[in-house]
Amino acid sequence: KQEVTQIPAALSVPEGENLVLNCSFTDSAIYNLQWFRQDPGKGLTSLLLIQSSQREQTSGRLNASLDKSSGRSTLYIAASQPGDSATYLCAVVLTGGGNKLTFGTGTQLKVEL
Amino acid sequence: DARVTQTPRHKVTEMGQEVTMRCQPILGHNTVFWYRQTMMQGLELLAYFRNRAPLDDSGMPKDRFSAEMPDATLATLKIQPSEPRDSAVYFCASGLVGRATDTQYFGPGTRLTVL
Repeated sequence: KQEVTQIPAALSVPEGENLVLNCSFTDSAIYNLQWFRQDPGKGLTSLLLIQSSQREQTSGRLNASLDKSSGRSTLYIAASQPGDSATYLCAVVLTGGGNKLTFGTGTQLKVEL
Repeated sequence: DARVTQTPRHKVTEMGQEVTMRCQPILGHNTVFWYRQTMMQGLELLAYFRNRAPLDDSGMPKDRFSAEMPDATLATLKIQPSEPRDSAVYFCASGLVGRATDTQYFGPGTRLTVL
């Protein structure tokens, strides 16, 4: 059974700092990996999707990397802003898994003024 | 701006009552997912449909939960009878699934409290 873990569970940083969120998964036979953002009381918004054949994806100040062999992904946020405060979840789809997402435990990020 | 909609947004009910949650997927999406989120378990997949046909409901307690898609614009999740341990946020998501680049679009969720 695929298990997805995220470290740290919570993170507080001052505005402007660059930061890295970590995600690890136990089964490397993944179809893709996604990073989502969840704001309090809201649904999830997809930030970045990395296909199994890719090593990274970038969108604005966000960069996500994927290392299947080590079962790891990182989400890098550059020049953090208070508006980045949210919970970040990574999720994987296994090859042959029917596009079912297995979610990590999440990292709650707070960016302070 | 197409969105997944869910009703109701909040539901408080007493143990033993029937609960029905509804989801309208984005028009044209071929796959609908139901997830449950709790503090203890995080986000878990309950069931999903492809072209309205149920593909996997292995994450769902079969004795009290049922999921259906009566038509392409409506998915329902029912709990009967409800129990306090069912208290959670239930999310519906839809997607046009078939490629490695496909993502899922989530609704705002239904927050269920069973007393």
